[in-house]
Amino acid sequence: QVQLVESGGGAVQPGRSLRLSCAASGFTFSTFGMHWVRQAPGKGLEWLAFTSYDGSDIYYADSVTGRFTISRDNSNNTLFLQMHSLRAEDTATYYCAKDYAQFVMDVWGMGTTVTVSS
Amino acid sequence: DIQMTQSPSSLSASVGDRVTITCRASQNIRRYLSWIQQKPGKAPELLIFTASSLHSGVPSRFSGSGSGTDFSLTISGLQPEDFATYYCQQNFRTPLTFGGGTKVEI
Repeated sequence: QVQLVESGGGAVQPGRSLRLSCAASGFTFSTFGMHWVRQAPGKGLEWLAFTSYDGSDIYYADSVTGRFTISRDNSNNTLFLQMHSLRAEDTATYYCAKDYAQFVMDVWGMGTTVTVSS
Repeated sequence: DIQMTQSPSSLSASVGDRVTITCRASQNIRRYLSWIQQKPGKAPELLIFTASSLHSGVPSRFSGSGSGTDFSLTISGLQPEDFATYYCQQNFRTPLTFGGGTKVEI
């Protein structure tokens, strides 16, 4: 079945970097756009970034523009989120989600938790 | 950015109740509106897209309506597994934005 599994989260100090991964299976990864969404503890969902199926179209939320980079490896069915200059307010569970069409997110992973603290 | 405002932020209901959650967009988003369910400790799940289209496998007791700026999600005959938090999300343009969520409690 369609599955997304995030990894790479953990505890990190402010100002450091972290790279998240999302392993996709059960569908033709190279033909679908993908998203990253996060949820701070006890808060709602916040969209972060989108990449088209081939990486040619990429969009970011203002809150992460210039610090986070979304990318993908279609040969290995993996989505990435490179995060730099991490701040305490980046503490959250990070989800990857598959794009169904027109930015509709039809499948979500279980998430990976990032804690930014000194 | 398009702001999405949900109401109520929480509600209490009983099994079998009919529940309606509303979502208002700060500008016309036509029918580019999804509803997402999230249970504690679980991945979010898509319920409805393009305002009223039921995602595959979603029970028919869930329905959505609206267009432009005003939308609603209705659960007809609340079941125990429906107690969760519900989010609306506009997919009209980036940055994609979510409502603040509605927690449906027993």
